[in-house]
Amino acid sequence: AQSVTQLGSHVSVSEGALVLLRCNYSSSVPPYLFWYVQYPNQGLQLLLKYTTGATLVKGINGFEAEFKKSETSFHLTKPSAHMSDAAEYFCAVTKAGGTSYGKLTFGQGTILTVHP
Amino acid sequence: DVKVTQSSRYLVKRTGEKVFLECVQDMDHENMFWYRQDPGLGLRLIYFSYDVKMKEKGDIPEGYSVSREKKERFSLILESASTNQTSMYLCASSLPTAGPLAQYFGPGTRLTVL
Repeated sequence: AQSVTQLGSHVSVSEGALVLLRCNYSSSVPPYLFWYVQYPNQGLQLLLKYTTGATLVKGINGFEAEFKKSETSFHLTKPSAHMSDAAEYFCAVTKAGGTSYGKLTFGQGTILTVHP
Repeated sequence: DVKVTQSSRYLVKRTGEKVFLECVQDMDHENMFWYRQDPGLGLRLIYFSYDVKMKEKGDIPEGYSVSREKKERFSLILESASTNQTSMYLCASSLPTAGPLAQYFGPGTRLTVL
């Protein structure tokens, strides 16, 4: 079985500060990893994904994440927070093959607040 | 542009009512999913479908059923709504295997059961 743990249900940063949202996963097979963002009253939007290849993945809106197999982590970062980054962020994992292909397992979510 | 639509943004129903939540995608995706989202719990998979008339239970199927008569439409049915089914329901779709995989989400339906 797969699982995802997001450390910190709420993260608060000042505008211009570094954003770091933590995600650790558990998977018995090589994982595909995702970060999604949900703005208020909207559905989820894909920020970035890791499947194979380069472990540092760049996404939209200046976000990036690094897959660290040894630490089973996929933390999301952005060098400089903007007010428009305020949203809820979800880390998710899936595995290739088998009957569960395409099923995503989500973390609990992290609400990011950005202060002026 | 990819589009997943859900029939209602907000819905209020009474305990015991039969409730239908509709989802339509225009991307010719084989896979479709229904999740519920609750604070502190993230998204939990209720049911998914790999093709027309195909369905599989997710992690929390109890109290729900689904229908997929056409490729573009996936319906979630609450046979007898209960207050603990008050939640945000999100529909998603995706292409099947081979290569990078991502799900496209609809805007969600916030269901309140009184």
